[in-house]
Amino acid sequence: DIQMTQSPSSLSASVGDRVTITCRASQGISNSLAWYQQKPGKVPKLLIYFASTLQSGVPSRFSGSGSGTDFTLTISSLQPEDVATYYCQNYNSVPHTFGGGTKVEIK
Amino acid sequence: EVQLVESGGDLIEPGGSLRLSCAVSGSTFSNVWMHWVRQAPGKGLEWVGRIKSKKDGETTDYAAPVKGRFTISRDDSKKTVYLQMNSLKTEDTAVYYCTHGAALGSFFDYWGQGTLVTVSS
Repeated sequence: DIQMTQSPSSLSASVGDRVTITCRASQGISNSLAWYQQKPGKVPKLLIYFASTLQSGVPSRFSGSGSGTDFTLTISSLQPEDVATYYCQNYNSVPHTFGGGTKVEIK
Repeated sequence: EVQLVESGGDLIEPGGSLRLSCAVSGSTFSNVWMHWVRQAPGKGLEWVGRIKSKKDGETTDYAAPVKGRFTISRDDSKKTVYLQMNSLKTEDTAVYYCTHGAALGSFFDYWGQGTLVTVSS
């Protein structure tokens, strides 16, 4: 099974900061990588798929990159409404494993 | 607008069985691969399993922790997907989400609101 490792597990940044979250797959998954945002007490929401394609309605400050085993999610200018836990997901093969999550807070 | 509504969550004793349902509207359901994802209290997301569309063989795949105990099925006439859970363990306690596989790949463009399953004596 492919393992997905996210780092860091949590971070605290100021409003307006650039934030980067990393996701590493234990085997190559091409660009079959999605990112989800889960705000406290809410249902997860799709942000990005195919590693870099922004889901409709998602603010342009979110971006994704990477291919193979190494991927990043970047928030170009952190906003208060971005406080959430972010998960990457492998959908190249089953099981469609998720990363452990990165909790983003405002400093 | 695609909507998914789960039901069936409950408090159940270890070793028991439970069936969750997920009703889908606003989607060409018969063409969609449907998945279940769970989240234990205070923990991350865990993929549980999926069922392909009928035209793709209606085959199923499961995560290792649930394989042999959980079964996913679908009724396209009712636009509903099911998760039959047998031999439940305390570690199965979680919110269970039904998710809609996107047309382009097995990422999840729509999620249900979740239903809580608590396994405890």
